[in-house]
Amino acid sequence: QKEVEQNSGPLSVPEGAIASLNCTYSDRGSQSFFWYRQYSGKSPELIMSIYSNGDQEDGRFTAQLNKASQYVSLLIRDSQPSDSATYLCAVKAQGGSEKLVFGKGTKLTVNP
Amino acid sequence: GAVVSQHPSRVICKSGTSVKIECRSLDFQATTMFWYRQFPKQSLMLMATSNEGSKATYEQGVEKDKFLINHASLTLSTLTVTSAHPEDSSFYICSGWAPDTQYFGPGTRLTVL
Repeated sequence: QKEVEQNSGPLSVPEGAIASLNCTYSDRGSQSFFWYRQYSGKSPELIMSIYSNGDQEDGRFTAQLNKASQYVSLLIRDSQPSDSATYLCAVKAQGGSEKLVFGKGTKLTVNP
Repeated sequence: GAVVSQHPSRVICKSGTSVKIECRSLDFQATTMFWYRQFPKQSLMLMATSNEGSKATYEQGVEKDKFLINHASLTLSTLTVTSAHPEDSSFYICSGWAPDTQYFGPGTRLTVL
């Protein structure tokens, strides 16, 4: 069974710090990886997608992928209180399935 | 990013009634859409995959006769919760691929009294 594991959290960081969120996945054939942010009572919104090994940066967010280690991470620099949310790691498997497999999420709190 | 809408955003109904939730892809076409359910403080749970022009595929443990899915066009999928009971109260979210990223609708909060 394909699984995605995330830090159980919750994670608390001070404003301005770097928040590091981690995720591992079990399906070695996975090709596409996503980080979603979900505020309480809202639906998930895409933060980053990453498809190849290495780093991908978008503003204060950096996604890192290591397929050999089956590991994906999300770094949030200069964390802001508005970044406080649950972060969901999602993985799309190789092949015909279009399903995303989600981790249980890590709740991040950024303290002013 | 692509836009997915859902209607209604909130619905309150009496036990035993049926509720229909619409999911529309506003700026892309989707042969496949997904329906999720999320209980408070829990993770997303995929309920079913909606397939345009054919039957939906349900995840294990999801009652297909209770959660009716119709994917009538490339931009519209509907979820009908039949004979709703209080335990069906939840946050229902749909999504679709456009094309390499899955985008989510804003969700529908269902409360069954």
